[in-house]
Amino acid sequence: ETGVTQTPRHLVMGMTNKKSLKCEQHLGHNAMYWYKQSAKKPLELMFVYSLEERVENNSVPSRFSPECPNSSHLFLHLHTLQPEDSALYLCASSQDIGEETQYFGPGTRLLVL
Amino acid sequence: GQNIDQPTEMTATEGAIVQINCTYQTSGFNGLFWYQQHAGEAPTFLSYNVLDGLEEKGRFSSFLSRSKGYSYLLLKELQMKDSASYLCAVKSDTGGFKTIFGAGTRLFVKA
Repeated sequence: ETGVTQTPRHLVMGMTNKKSLKCEQHLGHNAMYWYKQSAKKPLELMFVYSLEERVENNSVPSRFSPECPNSSHLFLHLHTLQPEDSALYLCASSQDIGEETQYFGPGTRLLVL
Repeated sequence: GQNIDQPTEMTATEGAIVQINCTYQTSGFNGLFWYQQHAGEAPTFLSYNVLDGLEEKGRFSSFLSRSKGYSYLLLKELQMKDSASYLCAVKSDTGGFKTIFGAGTRLFVKA
């Protein structure tokens, strides 16, 4: 248990569906992150939030839409995804931006059909 | 550009020592991490090096040479539970905050 939870753990969706991934951290951290992990590829940083403000958006397609309503919760809204978006989506948090240690959630394994 | 290289897979024997290497080319280097990730689980923090030298933490040690763009993770007295992927990641302060991950080294520990 790292203090970061994600739901759902597994998700199968069609290309026309809309779904949301949820992340919650119980550590009192100020920074939260979304990463994408595809098979045999490096972790890709998607979005970074600091104190509920987005500070990084790594050229992610608009079919991925993040939302950070408060410093404990982070969502990733998904719509009209492609099969190549199938991957493990990991949420992480750290005390502040630039803090050396990030704590990862267990991830949501997403399959797009 | 930013690039991190580490071997794809390694195999070692229980009780032995294994060294996992990582080389990187990044601008604005601001520290290097090692994370452990068991299959189907979240990455967990192992070490962080920002200065040259060896940092020891129990059975795990991490080394950094900034001038050579090189790091290694040393695992001693290997146990079966050490079978996992080991991710090398570099923190860069160029162009905003970024942590860049390598593809990971999958370590298999055999009896």
